[in-house]
Amino acid sequence: AQKVTQAQTEISVVEKEDVTLDCVYETRDTTYYLFWYKQPPSGELVFLIRRNSFDEQNEISGRYSWNFQKSTSSFNFTITASQVVDSAVYFCALSEVNYGGSQGNLIFGKGTKLSVKP
Amino acid sequence: AAGVIQSPRHLIKEKRETATLKCYPIPRHDTVYWYQQGPGQDPQFLISFYEKMQSDKGSIPDRFSAQQFSDYHSELNMSSLELGDSALYFCATHPGGLSEKLFFGSGTQLSVL
Repeated sequence: AQKVTQAQTEISVVEKEDVTLDCVYETRDTTYYLFWYKQPPSGELVFLIRRNSFDEQNEISGRYSWNFQKSTSSFNFTITASQVVDSAVYFCALSEVNYGGSQGNLIFGKGTKLSVKP
Repeated sequence: AAGVIQSPRHLIKEKRETATLKCYPIPRHDTVYWYQQGPGQDPQFLISFYEKMQSDKGSIPDRFSAQQFSDYHSELNMSSLELGDSALYFCATHPGGLSEKLFFGSGTQLSVL
């Protein structure tokens, strides 16, 4: 069975602090996709990143960085120099890889609510 | 660029009524997923379609049904509504094959009174 665990329910930081959101996953599949989505108070789901299980290279995009460690089944997300606009619920998700390489349906973690205070 | 369109944006119904939610994919997207997100919860997969055929089924109640039409839009039909059906319903689509991501609509907020 597939499962995603985000142990941190809520995190509160002060602007400009760095913050890391943890994600641990379980799957029996040898190939899979991992994702992070942001859900601001307005409610829409904003795609942040997709990572293929074969690609363990860490990625940086501006203030965002992701650390994928297959050995510990973790896919952590770090925001550097956080800003008030980063306040949102962040979901980690997992999907299988279908025939042809497309993703299957998403299994979401429970989400981490990040509050960044000025 | 065109996005995934969901209608209505908000819907208020009473218990035991029916509701129909609609999803219009981005052009050339042939795969549709429906998710339900209760208050303070993570999105839960309900059902998916590929090329107008049901491709996978999640935790969708028997009171709900869905289909994908020839123009690839999809409708989620919900009958005998219960208070617990109050949630944000997302539709997500992708063009099949190797794709960077699912494209999510803005969701339909259903409130059952």
